[in-house]
Amino acid sequence: DAGVIQSPRHEVTEMGQEVTLRCKPISGHDYLFWYRQTMMRGLELLIYFNNNVPIDDSGMPEDRFSAKMPNASFSTLKIQPSEPRDSAVYFCASRRRTNTGELFFGEGSRLTVL
Amino acid sequence: AQSVTQLGSHVSVSEGALVLLRCNYSSSVPPYLFWYVQYPNQGLQLLLKYTSAATLVKGINGFEAEFKKSETSFHLTKPSAHMSDAAEYFCAVSVSNDMRFGAGTRLTVKP
Repeated sequence: DAGVIQSPRHEVTEMGQEVTLRCKPISGHDYLFWYRQTMMRGLELLIYFNNNVPIDDSGMPEDRFSAKMPNASFSTLKIQPSEPRDSAVYFCASRRRTNTGELFFGEGSRLTVL
Repeated sequence: AQSVTQLGSHVSVSEGALVLLRCNYSSSVPPYLFWYVQYPNQGLQLLLKYTSAATLVKGINGFEAEFKKSETSFHLTKPSAHMSDAAEYFCAVSVSNDMRFGAGTRLTVKP
């Protein structure tokens, strides 16, 4: 079974540009999570979905960030406009219904905003 | 809200020595606890998890952790470190549907 697939793996962009990160969760997983990892703040939960519905977006930094999950096999995290402080590794993870289940992580998207 | 605190952002041990990575949790209800490992340029992988069964949990690569409610701790141990154990380790807690991670501990293994 394929794992969580994220794209792009690396993105370098200039300040003010729109960035779209993509995630394909593991088939059959009900929950999808977006995390951001930086040296200063560690792993931060940005938002998570249950059955394609956003449940908690309290971790989204500001209105420049938005996330969607149009179907069970695809999610996007968009930053518009991007700023240098958005530079980080963004991880997508998914799991089955029970909260005792492990999260399966993608390999991450490393974003650099110049 | 639940949270975890990892004591020590960096731990260095010699190859063959005991590995001890500390994690304390805060939760108003019985938590589920996890340890994950992250190798460079990779996502996180599950090492082991506690879900209210046995308090001593064994994981992959010879790691284990003990849930101690009285101490609100879930420390990770390995009797003998190997060079391949060098990585970043994260403790995590799940009470509701989300999962919150500690700040991480970077383990260095010296030859």
